[in-house]
Amino acid sequence: AQSVTQLGSHVSVSEGALVLLRCNYSSSVPPYLFWYVQYPNQGLQLLLKYTTGATLVKGINGFEAEFKKSETSFHLTKPSAHMSDAAEYFCAVSDRGSGGGADGLTFGKGTHLIIQP
Amino acid sequence: DGGITQSPKYLFRKEGQNVTLSCEQNLNHDAMYWYRQDPGQGLRLIYYSQIVNDFQKGDIAEGYSVSREKKESFPLTVTSAQKNPTAFYLCASTPTSGRVGDTQYFGPGTRLTVL
Repeated sequence: AQSVTQLGSHVSVSEGALVLLRCNYSSSVPPYLFWYVQYPNQGLQLLLKYTTGATLVKGINGFEAEFKKSETSFHLTKPSAHMSDAAEYFCAVSDRGSGGGADGLTFGKGTHLIIQP
Repeated sequence: DGGITQSPKYLFRKEGQNVTLSCEQNLNHDAMYWYRQDPGQGLRLIYYSQIVNDFQKGDIAEGYSVSREKKESFPLTVTSAQKNPTAFYLCASTPTSGRVGDTQYFGPGTRLTVL
């Protein structure tokens, strides 16, 4: 069974500082990996996803993530935090081998990003 | 504009009552999903449907029921058998059934509170 671990339920950074949100997964086969963002009382919006090919994935709003198979990680980064980045961030995995794309994603518990002025 | 709509945005229910949450999409997507979100718990899959008139249980289906009579609609009923229904409910869809790695598109959610 696949699982996703997000280290840190809350992360606080200063405006202009580096943002690093950690995600580790477990899967018996190479997965598809996703990062979503959620603003209060709203649905989820896709930031970026890894399918195949280049392991460094660029997404919207200046975010990027790197797939590291040896570390089973897919950490999300942004060089310079902005106040508008304050939100909840979810890492998710879809297992290629089990048809996970059809039967839903497995989500981490989320990381609340706080931006200090 | 294409998208997913969920209604109502806020819903209050008395204990023992069944309630139905609406999810409609005009994206012409094949597959639809229902997730439940609790604080600090992430999202958990309740039901999903890959095609009209067919649906499958997710990880936490007990106390819920769904139907998929039309491609664009996937309503969720929270029954009185669901012991702790207060949560934020999210509906999602993907363009193609059975294709691993499809991006899931989410609606704005319905917040259900049991009084």
